[in-house]
Amino acid sequence: GAGVSQSPSNKVTEKGKDVELRCDPISGHTALYWYRQRLGQGLEFLIYFQGNSAPDKSGLPSDRFSAERTGESVSTLTIQRTQQEDSAVYLCASSLRREEETQYFGPGTRLLVL
Amino acid sequence: QKEVEQDPGPLSVPEGAIVSLNCTYSNSAFQYFMWYRQYSRKGPELLMYTYSSGNKEDGRFTAQVDKSSKYISLFIRDSQPSDSATYLCAMSLSYNFNKFYFGSGTKLNVKP
Repeated sequence: GAGVSQSPSNKVTEKGKDVELRCDPISGHTALYWYRQRLGQGLEFLIYFQGNSAPDKSGLPSDRFSAERTGESVSTLTIQRTQQEDSAVYLCASSLRREEETQYFGPGTRLLVL
Repeated sequence: QKEVEQDPGPLSVPEGAIVSLNCTYSNSAFQYFMWYRQYSRKGPELLMYTYSSGNKEDGRFTAQVDKSSKYISLFIRDSQPSDSATYLCAMSLSYNFNKFYFGSGTKLNVKP
């Protein structure tokens, strides 16, 4: 069956522009996670959704970052006024429910801010 | 201090070797421990999952948790070139997997 998909796969933008990253989780998965992976580093937790609610926004690096989820399906991560340090791979994962330890990851969106 | 520390490698071994990958952590409250494999330009995929201390085996892979030392390991027997990837450890505090803490990953290269 279809896995987690993300779009775009690559994004190059200029400093100061806004970007929107999209995640389509596996159908029926209620939990959705966003991570950031900088070059040579591990995954940095950004935000978690249970259904359409985000009970934990503690990982968002600054108020330039926001995320939403609609219809317990698609999620978008928005970065406003991008900075060069935002350059990273942004990974989305979903799991059947919050109590499920198995997360299924998408291929990521590679963001480069010039 | 990072919550989870992992040697970035790269680790290069000949085909057939036994590989040992390790992570240390600082928070004694971690209960759930996972190993992910990430191929180049792909998302991570879950390999092994263990709860609390002890060993778990799955084919050529063995995960080991030593909570007293705050140290976890992943052993790969009879390593294959197809095992070449980055291996990430991850851990969680509670049964409700709200948040996972990841290591930085160890890059493994198995030479034919």
